Amino acid sequence: KQEVTQIPAALSVPEGENLVLNCSFTDSAIYNLQWFRQDPGKGLTSLLLIQSSQREQTSGRLNASLDKSSGRSTLYIAASQPGDSATYLCAVRRQAGTALIFGKGTTLSVSS
Amino acid sequence: EAQVTQNPRYLITVTGKKLTVTCSQNMNHEYMSWYRQDPGLGLRQIYYSMNVEVTDKGDVPEGYKVSRKEKRNFPLILESPSPNQTSLYFCASSLRIGTAYGYTFGSGTRLTVV
Repeated sequence: KQEVTQIPAALSVPEGENLVLNCSFTDSAIYNLQWFRQDPGKGLTSLLLIQSSQREQTSGRLNASLDKSSGRSTLYIAASQPGDSATYLCAVRRQAGTALIFGKGTTLSVSS
Repeated sequence: EAQVTQNPRYLITVTGKKLTVTCSQNMNHEYMSWYRQDPGLGLRQIYYSMNVEVTDKGDVPEGYKVSRKEKRNFPLILESPSPNQTSLYFCASSLRIGTAYGYTFGSGTRLTVV
């Protein structure tokens, strides 16, 4: 059974700091891994999609890496801003079935 | 704008009163799915649809029904809602299954059953 774990559960940093969010998964048989952002009471915004054959993807200040063999992904946020404050969710799309399996998220707070 | 639209955004209802949450996407996506999000449990798949007239159960389907009569619409039906179905619901779509295709999520429907 695929399980996705995100560490830490919460993180507080001052503005301008670079930070790394971690995601691990137990079964390497995945189609892809997707990072989402969720603001309180709001929907999920897709940040980055990494296909199973890829090692990393970049979008602006965000960089996500994937090491499928070790079951790990990281989301790197450069020069954090207060507007980055949100919950970040990691999800893997398993090959068996169609569901996205989500981690429980890392809640990030960036103070000015 | 490419998007997944859910309605209503908020709904309070009473136990046993049938309700439908609508979901519509304008991206010609084949695949659509419903999730619920609960504190401590995260997001879990309720039902999904690979294409028109093709639906199947996800991980937590009990108490829910779906239909896919048109490609763009995928309503979630609660025939007899109960308090344990109080949750935040998300509809999602994807062009198709495959490594290159990610999900687009709607803005969510917060349902309270009293």
